[in-house]
This record gives sequence, C-alpha cells and structure tokens, in this order.
Amino acid sequence: EADIYQTPRYLVIGTGKKITLECSQTMGHDKMYWYQQDPGMELHLIHYSYGVNSTEKGDLSSESTVSRIRTEHFPLTLESARPSHTSQYLCASSEFTGEQYFGPGTRLTVT
Amino acid sequence: AQSVSQHNHHVILSEAASLELGCNYSYGGTVNLFWYVQYPGQHLQLLLKYFSGDPLVKGIKGFEAEFIKSKFSFNLRKPSVQWSDTAEYFCAVNGGSGQLIFGTGTRLQVFP
Repeated sequence: EADIYQTPRYLVIGTGKKITLECSQTMGHDKMYWYQQDPGMELHLIHYSYGVNSTEKGDLSSESTVSRIRTEHFPLTLESARPSHTSQYLCASSEFTGEQYFGPGTRLTVT
Repeated sequence: AQSVSQHNHHVILSEAASLELGCNYSYGGTVNLFWYVQYPGQHLQLLLKYFSGDPLVKGIKGFEAEFIKSKFSFNLRKPSVQWSDTAEYFCAVNGGSGQLIFGTGTRLQVFP
C-alpha cells in the first residue's frame, strides 16, 4: 500500500484566488510528479521533480508552480486561479524502477 | 516522441464475459510497461507491470497482460470479468525519457 497523501480532496474557489495543493509521501521516493486529468481523458504531466531543489515543467503547459524543499513534500501553487484551471490534479511518486504511486487527487473547481 | 494508444475507449460487457483491452506504444528501445486501474471515486492503482523476462505477466484480481515486442503491444486480459471490475483502465509506458506516458484510458462497464 502506497502512502501518498493529497489535500484538499475537493476545492471550490473563486477566480483570482491563490491556492496551494498539498502532496506528501512517506516512502522516501526521490521522484515526484503532478498530473492534470480531465474526466474521461488521459493524464497530462505538468510538473516533476527528481529530488530536493529540482523541479521541471512537464509536457502540458501549466500556469502553476511547484517547489521541492523536502523529499516528502511537493506542493503545487496557482497564483491566480481561473475557470480554465478546473480539473483533477493527481500527485505521484516513484522509485527507480519507474513504477508510480498515486495519491487520491484534488478535484478543483474555479467559479 | 513516445506515445501510447488505447483503441477501446468504452467497453461494455456482461459478467463472466472475457476481456481484452488493447494497448500499443511507439518507442523502439527498452520499455517498462504498466496497466493502472481507477475504480470509481478511488485513486489510480497499479494493476500489473512488465520490466523484463516472461512476456506474460500476471497482476492482481485475475488480470494478465502479454508483451509482444514485435507488435509494440501490451494488451490486458481477463478470462471472466465481474461487476466489480467496472473502472477506468490506463496503459502506460516508461521509455527513454524516464517519464510515464499514459494512454487515453478505457472505460469498462460490467453489467450483472
């Protein structure tokens, strides 16, 4: 059983608000990822990190930012939320084999 | 660029029917292959994986997948589905980039 946590699970906020989606893992994995997933669609990688102080943008352009100050923590921040940011955000971590473990996701609605 | 194709977007079956979900990838080098499942309201879980060795791999809940290198395929199978198998199934490939590339997913509905 993977131990990866995301909070909040659901969030409804107004346009222009700043939000941070939290992600933590207790497995000591160096690699962590953020994906965006719309209903019935594939996962799109928006950010990843291969270790502390290492962050990269993924394939899907995103207005969000991430930080990796501690191995276990990989928060995602939206400085000014817009309705186009409405989606599900999935956090994952992986060991060296590439097998990824996923959190439960945060379903974000921007009104 | 690597890509993963899942040709079946929506599959509807009756209980006890056999299941095969197609997955093809485009990458000529060594790959690690995965099937993930997402049950309604739950997080993505690993169903099975292939790294090397026997191309027929067995996963949880009676699922299996066969890696056919010549066809760039990694199809998922189950001889007899149950209502509880209703879920979204994602094929994923980890090739030279080190990233997991996901397919668009297949929604499986199983009716009693």
